[in-house]
Amino acid sequence: QKEVEQDPGPLSVPEGAIVSLNCTYSNSAFQYFMWYRQYSRKGPELLMYTYSSGNKEDGRFTAQVDKSSKYISLFIRDSQPSDSATYLCAMRNQAGTALIFGKGTTLSVSS
Amino acid sequence: GAVVSQHPSWVICKSGTSVKIECRSLDFQATTMFWYRQFPKQSLMLMATSNEGSKATYEQGVEKDKFLINHASLTLSTLTVTSAHPEDSSFYICSARPGSGEGEQYFGPGTRLTVT
Repeated sequence: QKEVEQDPGPLSVPEGAIVSLNCTYSNSAFQYFMWYRQYSRKGPELLMYTYSSGNKEDGRFTAQVDKSSKYISLFIRDSQPSDSATYLCAMRNQAGTALIFGKGTTLSVSS
Repeated sequence: GAVVSQHPSWVICKSGTSVKIECRSLDFQATTMFWYRQFPKQSLMLMATSNEGSKATYEQGVEKDKFLINHASLTLSTLTVTSAHPEDSSFYICSARPGSGEGEQYFGPGTRLTVT
């Protein structure tokens, strides 16, 4: 079992839809959770950063962490064509330094 | 804030030559920088972790003599691909963690290397 599992998609939705992206993980020591957005041929852009469990909201984006289920989510409300990209979840434990990435989910929002 | 730059953004070199890629944190000091490699439609693969003033720690399977990393200051790390071959062609991305940040990690825009 890989440390971080993420469905690669692709996921296609119409403009305005609510998008749900998810990752599961196996290492209970993970404490820091991040979501990155990556456009083609560009570096990943940090979208959301959460420490431990809970929810965090920033504009149209909401990140949720459920440590008891080892499950994290990113919700995108009112999705736009400009949201079309690959979304990567990443996490690390408190003592470690390297981020462990999911494979990324490719999202396409059609107008 | 939290901007990381890379130079060059794109480079083509001949087989057997060496290429240096620079990674800079523009508005923060980064005690730790990371180098990743990404193949098309795949996730990021960590190559090495570098801490300012000390030797880089390489991931298993990454040749340290081929991929030379230098973290000379709190804002600059370099990756040199020595004696490049076509199989080294890839997208190389660096990232940096602010000295005060416990979790955030910011990525550069990436460097596309093509070896002919």
